[in-house]
Amino acid sequence: AQTVTQSQPEMSVQEAETVTLSCTYDTSESDYYLFWYKQPPSRQMILVIRQEAYKQQNATENRFSVNFQKAAKSFSLKISDSQLGDAAMYFCAYNNAGNMLTFGGGTRLMVKP
Amino acid sequence: DSGVTQTPKHLITATGQRVTLRCSPRSGDLSVYWYQQSLDQGLQFLIQYYNGEERAKGNILERFSAQQFPDLHSELNLSSLELGDSALYFCASSVGGSQHEQYFGPGTRLTVT
Repeated sequence: AQTVTQSQPEMSVQEAETVTLSCTYDTSESDYYLFWYKQPPSRQMILVIRQEAYKQQNATENRFSVNFQKAAKSFSLKISDSQLGDAAMYFCAYNNAGNMLTFGGGTRLMVKP
Repeated sequence: DSGVTQTPKHLITATGQRVTLRCSPRSGDLSVYWYQQSLDQGLQFLIQYYNGEERAKGNILERFSAQQFPDLHSELNLSSLELGDSALYFCASSVGGSQHEQYFGPGTRLTVT
């Protein structure tokens, strides 16, 4: 079974600074998809970014980018120019042909003004 | 707003009771997924339907069941409720297939007393 691990239960960053959230996963599949979801205090799950395993190029979405290392099974999220609204729980998730998302335990990000 | 709607937002009920949670997917999405988020178990996949048919099953208890109707909305039925069933239940939808993003509804907060 696939597992997703987020080793940082909590992280903090100063407003306007950059922070990187870590995620590792375990799979024997070669074709899969990885996602980062944000869950603010409202509890809504918001898709932040996605990465296809067959693509070598790292995905970017505005201030959010990933560092995807397939051989190391690592998928970190970098948030640049952090804003107060970025404060939330962040979940890394894995999906392959099974269609279900497997989530990590989450990282709580605090943004200090 | 993801386009996925869930009702009700909150539900308080007693042990032993039965409840039904409802989900309407985004327009055009054929797949519906149900997830449970609890403090001790994290985010767990329960079940997936695609165009009316069950596609995948996760850690769903026998007391729980789901279905997807011809208009593609889905219902999750929880019966013989226990205190441990208290959780946030999310519905997500996608076009279909693991390569497609899953968009989450706002969730239903179930409290069993």
